[in-house]
Amino acid sequence: DAGITQSPRHKVTETGTPVTLRCHQTENHRYMYWYRQDPGHGLRLIHYSYGVKDTDKGEVSDGYSVSRSKTEDFLLTLESATSSQTSVYFCAIGGRGGNEQFFGPGTRLTVL
Amino acid sequence: GIQVEQSPPDLILQEGANSTLRCNFSDSVNNLQWFHQNPWGQLINLFYIPSGTKQNGRLSATTVATERYSLLYISSSQTTDSGVYFCAVELKETSGSRLTFGEGTQLTVNP
Repeated sequence: DAGITQSPRHKVTETGTPVTLRCHQTENHRYMYWYRQDPGHGLRLIHYSYGVKDTDKGEVSDGYSVSRSKTEDFLLTLESATSSQTSVYFCAIGGRGGNEQFFGPGTRLTVL
Repeated sequence: GIQVEQSPPDLILQEGANSTLRCNFSDSVNNLQWFHQNPWGQLINLFYIPSGTKQNGRLSATTVATERYSLLYISSSQTTDSGVYFCAVELKETSGSRLTFGEGTQLTVNP
């Protein structure tokens, strides 16, 4: 299994509070991603990173920011959480140049 | 953007039956992956298959890139095959490596 961990695994928070989710990899992979999964949908890309300090937006990036100060860590921040951001968040690594993506275990976030 | 359509959306089988899941995509792709999301939510890589045919035990997959579709075959299904099967593609013309997912096929295998 790819060495990907996510923390926390579950979180309940209130509307308007900041939230940071962490993804940690031990594979030294250049590419990292954050996706969200909502009921009845596949995963949708929020942001991705193609190296330390290099990030770009995905299709559902509004309300989210990311940071990558080290190869192994990719942080997703909700500056002011809203109920529409209640979802399961998956981190992934890999891809590009013929490499497949592997996914972490997910973080279930509930915004009340 | 690219469209990824999976069919059927739901499938109910008796244990031991065979099934075929289909994924159609609307543009040329660099990468196509099949995933199984188990009832605990974990995403398990099944195949990385931008073209050609691969087999892994009771599962096999075929992608015909020129006709923009992929098929996932499950033979002699077991209850542990239950879950959601996702197809995901990476467009040829992208600056990053982003997977676009279909909405999945919900498979239920009854004993």
